[in-house]
Amino acid sequence: DTEVTQTPKHLVMGMTNKKSLKCEQHMGHRAMYWYKQKAKKPPELMFVYSYEKLSINESVPSRFSPECPNSSLLNLHLHALQPEDSALYLCASSQEMVRPQHFGDGTRLSIL
Amino acid sequence: QKEVEQDPGPLSVPEGAIVSLNCTYSNSAFQYFMWYRQYSRKGPELLMYTYSSGNKEDGRFTAQVDKSSKYISLFIRDSQPSDSATYLCAMSAGAGGTSYGKLTFGQGTILTVHP
Repeated sequence: DTEVTQTPKHLVMGMTNKKSLKCEQHMGHRAMYWYKQKAKKPPELMFVYSYEKLSINESVPSRFSPECPNSSLLNLHLHALQPEDSALYLCASSQEMVRPQHFGDGTRLSIL
Repeated sequence: QKEVEQDPGPLSVPEGAIVSLNCTYSNSAFQYFMWYRQYSRKGPELLMYTYSSGNKEDGRFTAQVDKSSKYISLFIRDSQPSDSATYLCAMSAGAGGTSYGKLTFGQGTILTVHP
């Protein structure tokens, strides 16, 4: 079991739905990350929060909206997704932005 | 040319073999070097973390970083079937670098250890 917990583990949604992915860590880490991973590819960075402020946005489409309600929680709000957005979405955390990142097991998202 | 190059394999070895996994990189600003192991349907698991050049050992795993050659390695001794996974190298720059806070991954090497 990892120390970064992601829910749900699986999610199937239509292109008009709105859903949210959740991530929680209790390691006292101050940096949290969202990644997208397609099959047989490495993770691709989407967003970075440092001390609860959005620090990096890798030009992600606005249909993905991150939120960091507090230092332990990270959400990713999804709206009007496309079939090509089907992927494994990974959350990670680290003590500071430069320290090694610890990943959760991800949410496997399928868009119908 | 990718910033980080990693042979995707696949690599198949018998149980007990020594496995050598390698990555090369082009960005001289990289200072932090990591190896992750990812099992199917799981997230990447941090195996080794090294700052700057040198060696680090943890049980059956040894990580080496040669910044002069821009080359990093992970050695697995006495490999086990449970080591079968995808191995990802990753690296990042220090504060002030353009990739600060970002991990740049290799493509991953698929390793199978057969009994």
